[in-house]
Formats: sequence, structure tokens, C-alpha cells
Amino acid sequence: AAGVIQSPRHLIKEKRETATLKCYPIPRHDTVYWYQQGPGQDPQFLISFYEKMQSDKGSIPDRFSAQQFSDYHSELNMSSLELGDSALYFCASSLVVGGAKNEQYFGPGTRLTVT
Amino acid sequence: AQKITQTQPGMFVQEKEAVTLDCTYDTSDQSYGLFWYKQPSSGEMIFLIYQGSYDEQNATEGRYSLNFQKARKSANLVISASQLGDSAMYFCAMRGSGSARQLTFGSGTQLTVLP
Repeated sequence: AAGVIQSPRHLIKEKRETATLKCYPIPRHDTVYWYQQGPGQDPQFLISFYEKMQSDKGSIPDRFSAQQFSDYHSELNMSSLELGDSALYFCASSLVVGGAKNEQYFGPGTRLTVT
Repeated sequence: AQKITQTQPGMFVQEKEAVTLDCTYDTSDQSYGLFWYKQPSSGEMIFLIYQGSYDEQNATEGRYSLNFQKARKSANLVISASQLGDSAMYFCAMRGSGSARQLTFGSGTQLTVLP
């Protein structure tokens, strides 16, 4: 079965640079979520999209933005990177409409290192 | 606001024995979902099991079962016949009702299976 795809898997950036993370949800899933997991931390919700519209926002810094495109893939754009942005970034997708469990399937994550 | 509490930072279990990972939650929602995810050292987040707040029976998925005690607001994960490959971080998570579909995670339990 197809899973959530994230690219790149690893990314190294310097402070003040920008980064773009990509996410391709499971086909026919209507919702995409972004989470940030710092070292030794639990995942923290950043932002979500339902049918290409932003549906909810968590603890996402103003330096970050995200969007979902017509083909349902999503991109997380991060600017003015800081050392504290070093983390594992997960994208997850789920089927909300008609999905009783609404279970979220996670991608493998993008490990971002800011030096 | 929702809160998940996992009070066991680390657990050890002998191979082939059963182990229970604790999870308590707090929410004012009447309808909610509880999830357990496994995160191996490689980093991916693997969905294990789901329990809906209105489900009358405890969820089971192979060697995983969820001991759901609604009145106590607990959703403990039971892993039977532990295997070496079960060594990982385990997260309990909750999804609330309404439009907020994102997951709130606990701090996790690091499980080590001993040979």
C-alpha cells in the first residue's frame, strides 16, 4: 500500500537560510498535517490542511508557512532558520470525511539540521 | 485543552513476556480518539492501535491491545509476547472532536526488550 512520502529525508542548512520540505499524502486522503519533533521531545502540531485549505494552526512560528497544492501535496517553507529549528519534521495524512478512525499515517520524516 | 500523560520514561521487559505502557488523558470532549504509535530509533512513526471514546470493547491488533478505562481516563497499551524488535519509543496520542483533528502526544515511553 502507498504511504506518505516526504522529501528530502535529510537536510542541512545554515542559520538564516531557507528550507522547503515536501509531503505527498496517501492517495485519496483529504487532510495533511505537519508536526515538529525536537530532540528527545514528542511531536508538536504545526499546521493542517483539509481539501487544500488551512484547517488548523498550532505552534508554528511566523517564519514558517505552508500550503497544499491542487495535487494534494504539501510544502512547509521555513525562512530565517535558527539553531532551534533543528528537528524531525513529520507530515501525516488522514481521511477525515467518511473515515471513522481518522487515523493519521505518518511519513518517514525530514531530519533538518541547522548549523 | 487536551493533555496526555505518560509517566514511564523508560521500561524494561524480558523477551516473550507481556508489558503494559501507561497512558492517562484529560479532555472535555465527549467524542475523542486515542492512538498509540511506535517510533524506532530510525525515527519513523508507526501507527499501532486506535480506540474511540464510544467503543465499548477494548481495541486489539495482533499482539497489541488497549486497556481502555474511560472513567479513569486511561488507555494503557499492552504488548504480549514481547520481541526484541519491540524495543522503541512508544507514544500515546489523542485526537479531539470537532474540526481540530490534530494529535496531541504524550512524552513517550522508551521500551527496551531484554534477551
